[in-house]
Amino acid sequence: DSGVTQTPKHLITATGQRVTLRCSPRSGDLSVYWYQQSLDQGLQFLIHYYNGEERAKGNILERFSAQQFPDLHSELNLSSLELGDSALYFCASSKGPIAQETQYFGPGTRLLVL
Amino acid sequence: QKEVEQDPGPLSVPEGAIVSLNCTYSNSAFQYFMWYRQYSRKGPELLMYTYSSGNKEDGRFTAQVDKSSKYISLFIRDSQPSDSATYLCAMSGTGSARQLTFGSGTQLTVLP
Repeated sequence: DSGVTQTPKHLITATGQRVTLRCSPRSGDLSVYWYQQSLDQGLQFLIHYYNGEERAKGNILERFSAQQFPDLHSELNLSSLELGDSALYFCASSKGPIAQETQYFGPGTRLLVL
Repeated sequence: QKEVEQDPGPLSVPEGAIVSLNCTYSNSAFQYFMWYRQYSRKGPELLMYTYSSGNKEDGRFTAQVDKSSKYISLFIRDSQPSDSATYLCAMSGTGSARQLTFGSGTQLTVLP
């Protein structure tokens, strides 16, 4: 158990809908990273927050947004969902602001868009 | 062409075999190299972390980085059925390369 929690574990929804994925980092970690893992694209970095502020963006679609709250938990919002958004979504956390620090991954949220 | 290339396998070996997993990369800015292990339906967990070129050993695992060839390897000695998982290489550097870029993963099965 990495200490990172993600909810929900599974999510089934329809095209055009909006969903929110939640992540709680390990105690003491200030950074939260979001990744998408799909069969064709592998594990891809989406966005990084450190202590409530956005630090870096990767291949994140405009339909997706995220935020990190004062209690350090983070939410990833996916809207106008398409079939291709079906994937595993992981968050990871680390203590400091740089991505080279050890990142601890949560168990993931499996999203299926029908 | 992807920045990080990794043979997806699957790779199947008998218990006790030496396993060699490899990645190649194209971005010269990469300086930090990692291997993650991902069990089915779980999140990746960090296995090995290496900075720049050289070797690092941890128990049955050895990570090698050859920056001149843009090639990294993970060796697993005396492989066990519990090593059956997907192994992902990851790397990062500075500037635009500061976030982790992952390989596609190699699926390994160690047969008892």
